[in-house]
Amino acid sequence: SQTIHQWPATLVQPVGSPLSLECTVEGTSNPNLYWYRQAAGRGLQLLFYSVGIGQISSEVPQNLSASRPQDRQFILSSKKLLLSDSGFYLCAWKASGYEQYFGPGTRLTVT
Amino acid sequence: AQSVTQPDIHITVSEGASLELRCNYSYGATPYLFWYVQSPGQGLQLLLKYFSGDTLVQGIKGFEAEFKRSQSSFNLRKPSVHWSDAAEYFCAVGADTGKLIFGQGTTLQVKP
Repeated sequence: SQTIHQWPATLVQPVGSPLSLECTVEGTSNPNLYWYRQAAGRGLQLLFYSVGIGQISSEVPQNLSASRPQDRQFILSSKKLLLSDSGFYLCAWKASGYEQYFGPGTRLTVT
Repeated sequence: AQSVTQPDIHITVSEGASLELRCNYSYGATPYLFWYVQSPGQGLQLLLKYFSGDTLVQGIKGFEAEFKRSQSSFNLRKPSVHWSDAAEYFCAVGADTGKLIFGQGTTLQVKP
C-alpha cells in the first residue's frame, strides 16, 4: 500500500534562516505531488505541484521554492524565512483521477 | 471557475445527535467531489468521494454524503455523532486542471 512521509514533524526557525522540508511517497510510481500550507489552522493554500521529476508549478508567488529530485521525493525550501511563513505544511500525492492523499504535515514556527 | 463554499465555519452538536455539514460547489460539468477530515495537528484523511452513479455515497467512519445537482450541493451526514468526530471537515471539488479546490472548512465540536 502507499505511504507518504513528511519530516520534520515540527520545526522552529528564526527569521532569515533557511528551510528544507521533505516529503517522500512509497508504494507508487510517478505520482503527482503537492505542497499546501495552512495558516492559523484554517483553509488550504496550494503552493506547488509537480507532475514529474524536475517539473514544478508554482501557484502563489512567495518566498518559497520546491524541487523534485527523485520520482517520489518532493522538497520545499526557502533561503530566508519570514514570519509569515509560519504554518502547517502538508504534502499530498495522487496517482490518477482527482483524489489526493495527504501526509501527516510539518508544523513550522518562524520566530 | 470552480469554487467550493462551506457556509458553516463552526458547528456544535451533542454526542449522539445527527450531523449535517453543508457544501456548495460551482462547476459546469459533472463534478468530482470529496470530503476530507482533519484532526488537530494531523494531515487530511479522505472520508468519501463522488464521481458518478448513485448520488448517495458511503464513506468511512459511518459518514455519507448526497450529491444534489439541482442544488449544487454535496452535504456530509452522520446519523449519530461520536466525540471522536470532533475535527475540521473540508469539502473539495476536482478542477479542470486536475487539482482540488477546497472549501474553507467547518470545525465540528461535539458536546458530551
